[in-house]
Amino acid sequence: QKEVEQNSGPLSVPEGAIASLNCTYSDRGSQSFFWYRQYSGKSPELIMSIYSNGDKEDGRFTAQLNKASQYVSLLIRDSQPSDSATYLCAVRVTGANNLFFGTGTRLTVIP
Amino acid sequence: GAGVSQSPSNKVTEKGKDVELRCDPISGHTALYWYRQSLGQGLEFLIYFQGNSAPDKSGLPSDRFSAERTGGSVSTLTIQRTQQEDSAVYLCASSWEGGAGQPQHFGDGTRLSIL
Repeated sequence: QKEVEQNSGPLSVPEGAIASLNCTYSDRGSQSFFWYRQYSGKSPELIMSIYSNGDKEDGRFTAQLNKASQYVSLLIRDSQPSDSATYLCAVRVTGANNLFFGTGTRLTVIP
Repeated sequence: GAGVSQSPSNKVTEKGKDVELRCDPISGHTALYWYRQSLGQGLEFLIYFQGNSAPDKSGLPSDRFSAERTGGSVSTLTIQRTQQEDSAVYLCASSWEGGAGQPQHFGDGTRLSIL
């Protein structure tokens, strides 16, 4: 069983719509959760971090964490073509020094 | 300030050769991580350095892989006797310290191709 699971997509949304990206994790004691954006051929870029249950908003991005259900999601409001990328969910698992990454969800925003 | 710097950006070498990949973390960051990303795969942890502590080598796939970090700053990842399955993008990340809440910031990676 993988530590972090994401739907690989591709997920296509029209410009201006809300994109919803989901991630589940297996370690109930996980402490920290991150969303990275990765453009093709580029390195992962941190866009959101969340540590406690609930919602965290930053501009057009909202991260949602539900530890009881072991999922974390990312909402992108007013999606733009420039948001087209692969979104990686990363989890800091209890007792580990590294992040565990999902394989990413590829998002395409259609103009 | 400058981000995480990695060199070379691309490396093509023949099977069986040794390669060295370099990472210069963000100034002041004490924690340094190496990951690799194969085509269509998630990031795979390799090794972690924190200050002067012994490194966490739990992710290294074989004894052909080694890494060192000199002076608490620059790190070098060495792959000996390269194999074709070593072809991947090798990513270095750093953070202020190794705590669970610290976000990791990535360099642009080294794309390694083994012929």
